[in-house]
Amino acid sequence: DVKVTQSSRYLVKRTGEKVFLECVQDMDHENMFWYRQDPGLGLRLIYFSYDVKMKEKGDIPEGYSVSREKKERFSLILESASTNQTSMYLCASSSSWGLLEQYFGPGTRLTVT
Amino acid sequence: KQEVTQIPAALSVPEGENLVLNCSFTDSAIYNLQWFRQDPGKGLTSLLLIQSSQREQTSGRLNASLDKSSGRSTLYIAASQPGDSATYLCAVRPAGNTGKLIFGQGTTLQVKP
Repeated sequence: DVKVTQSSRYLVKRTGEKVFLECVQDMDHENMFWYRQDPGLGLRLIYFSYDVKMKEKGDIPEGYSVSREKKERFSLILESASTNQTSMYLCASSSSWGLLEQYFGPGTRLTVT
Repeated sequence: KQEVTQIPAALSVPEGENLVLNCSFTDSAIYNLQWFRQDPGKGLTSLLLIQSSQREQTSGRLNASLDKSSGRSTLYIAASQPGDSATYLCAVRPAGNTGKLIFGQGTTLQVKP
């Protein structure tokens, strides 16, 4: 069965802290994505990666960076967390072949105080 | 710029009713369209994916249709149950894109016993 896991379901951090969110998929997918979801704004793409060490900016990359050192793992980094980064963060993955169906993890609810 | 709209934003129906959720998109140049379900505080679960060359897909009590030329998709839920209560999101994958999905804001469905 398809599986995307995220390192934490809930996270509380202080303003200015460096925050790491990890995502792991076990489907050997080439593509991985980080979204954030906010009421009234829907899902917005932060970054995505189509191969190891490759990354592309999404719609709202400011304040974030990513790392993909292994195919199965995609990390989202908040260099200096701010209160406006309080949100639900969702990771997803998809193959580069066939249906390109996107599979999502359970999400991380991040609160920055 | 591709935009995806879902109407209505919220829907409440009695158990057993058949219902239709609507999704419209502004640019017909899409690779596929995906319907997701999201329970409160959780990640997204893929329900159905329709390729641009297809007209419909079925899974159990769910049927999704696609009319690419008019920029519309519908998700039909037969014999609704309280367990169907969730937010339903549609997302389009633009043609020629490596993987980015454009999401609608979702329709929150409540099925009353």
